[in-house]
Amino acid sequence: DAGVIQSPRHEVTEMGQEVTLRCKPISGHDYLFWYRQTMMRGLELLIYFNNNVPIDDSGMPEDRFSAKMPNASFSTLKIQPSEPRDSAVYFCASSLGGLSYEQYFGPGTRLTVT
Amino acid sequence: GDSVTQMEGPVTLSEEAFLTINCTYTATGYPSLFWYVQYPGEGLQLLLKATKADDKGSNKGFEATYRKETTSFHLEKGSVQVSDSAVYFCALRKQGGSEKLVFGKGTKLTVNP
Repeated sequence: DAGVIQSPRHEVTEMGQEVTLRCKPISGHDYLFWYRQTMMRGLELLIYFNNNVPIDDSGMPEDRFSAKMPNASFSTLKIQPSEPRDSAVYFCASSLGGLSYEQYFGPGTRLTVT
Repeated sequence: GDSVTQMEGPVTLSEEAFLTINCTYTATGYPSLFWYVQYPGEGLQLLLKATKADDKGSNKGFEATYRKETTSFHLEKGSVQVSDSAVYFCALRKQGGSEKLVFGKGTKLTVNP
C-alpha cells in the first residue's frame, strides 16, 4: 500500500490567495483526520471524518478554513483567504477506527503564506 | 479538558546512553496512551501503545508503562542509536468512542555518535 498521500508537498502563496491541500487516505480506512503543526502550538486536530461525514470540526480555526470529503478516497482542506499566520505543516491521517487505534500519517504539506 | 504534558526538549544524548522522556496526562476514566515518532521530513508513525492500566507497550527497544496512579506513560530506551534522532509525541485517546487523539507538544531527541 502506498500509504496516505498528500499534495502538494510544499506550497508558497501570497496573503489573500486561496489554498487547497489534498489527501488520499489508505484504501479501506473509514476515518480521515486533518492536523496542523506549528512550533508555537504543536500538533492540533482541525477536523475528522467518518465514512466521508465530518464528525468533529471544533478545531477548525475560523470560517476561512473548510474541509470536504466527497468520496472515500479523497479529501481537501481549503483556506480562503490565506494569511501569514496560516503558515504551518498540514498533515492528513487515516485509520480503520474502532479497536484498531493506529492513525497513519501522510508526509505533510508545508504551507508558507507571504 | 483532556491534555498531555511532555518534558521540554531538546534532549541530546550520546550513542548507547539511556533515554527517558516523561509524559503525564489529564483525562477522565481510562484513556488509551500512545507514543508516536516523527523522523525529519516525515509524518508521525506509531511507536507503541497501551490501552489499560499497567500495560507495557514496547517496540524497537523502546518501552512505556501505563501508570494510572501517577497518570504517566514515560518513554524509555536502554541504549539509543543515532537513528533514534527524531521528535517523540505522547498522545491519548479518550475512553468511550471518540477517535480523537490529544497530543503533547513533542520532544526532540538528538543522538550523537
